[in-house]
Amino acid sequence: DAGVIQSPRHEVTEMGQEVTLRCKPISGHNSLFWYRQTMMRGLELLIYFNNNVPIDDSGMPEDRFSAKMPNASFSTLKIQPSEPRDSAVYFCASSFTDRVRIGRSNQPQHFGDGTRLSIL
Amino acid sequence: EDQVTQSPEALRLQEGESSSLNCSYTVSGLRGLFWYRQDPGKGPEFLFTLYSAGEEKEKERLKATLTKKESFLHITAPKPEDSATYLCAVQISGYSTLTFGKGTMLLVSP
Repeated sequence: DAGVIQSPRHEVTEMGQEVTLRCKPISGHNSLFWYRQTMMRGLELLIYFNNNVPIDDSGMPEDRFSAKMPNASFSTLKIQPSEPRDSAVYFCASSFTDRVRIGRSNQPQHFGDGTRLSIL
Repeated sequence: EDQVTQSPEALRLQEGESSSLNCSYTVSGLRGLFWYRQDPGKGPEFLFTLYSAGEEKEKERLKATLTKKESFLHITAPKPEDSATYLCAVQISGYSTLTFGKGTMLLVSP
C-alpha cells in the first residue's frame, strides 16, 4: 500500500526565495496534517485539514506560511519569502476521521518521510 | 497549557539490557496516547494507541502501559535494530490533533 508521499525530499534554497512543499495523503484518509520538526522544538503541528477544509491553523508561524488542499489527494505548504530560521524537516501526515463525529476520532496519523528544508 | 514530557532524552543500552522510557503528560481530557518510532531520515511510524489508565499493549519486544499521569514504553531484551527515537503524543477529547513530546533517542549496542 502506498503511504503518504512527500516531495521534494530535500530542498536547499536561498533566503527570500519561495518554497513549495507537496504532499499526497493515503487514499481514503480525510484528515491531513502538516508538521515541522527541529532539534529545539521537536515536532510541532502547523495546520490541520479535514475534508479539504482548514480546521486549525494556529500553529502556522506567520503570514509567510500558507497551506492549501485543493482536493482530497493533494496538499501544498508554501513559504514566501523564506528565511534561514525556516530550516527544518517538514512532515505531512494523514488519517481517517469519522465524519459523523468530527474531532472525536482517534485513528493514528500516518506520516510521510518528510522534506528536509535548508534556507541559506 | 497541555504538556508532554519524555525522559530520558537519550538512552544507551547493551543488547539484551531491558529498560523503560517515560512519557508524562498534563492534559485535560485525554482521549488517546500514541507511541511512535522514528528512524533517522524517516517519518514517525505508528506503534500503539492507549485509551485508558491500566491499558497495556505489546508488539514484539515492546510493551506500552498507561496511568492517569504517564505512559511507559518497556523494551525487553532489546536488539540493535530497536535503535531509534521513540515519540509519544497525546490527543485531547474533541480534537483530532496530536501534541508530541520531544522524544527519547535509544541506542542499543551489540
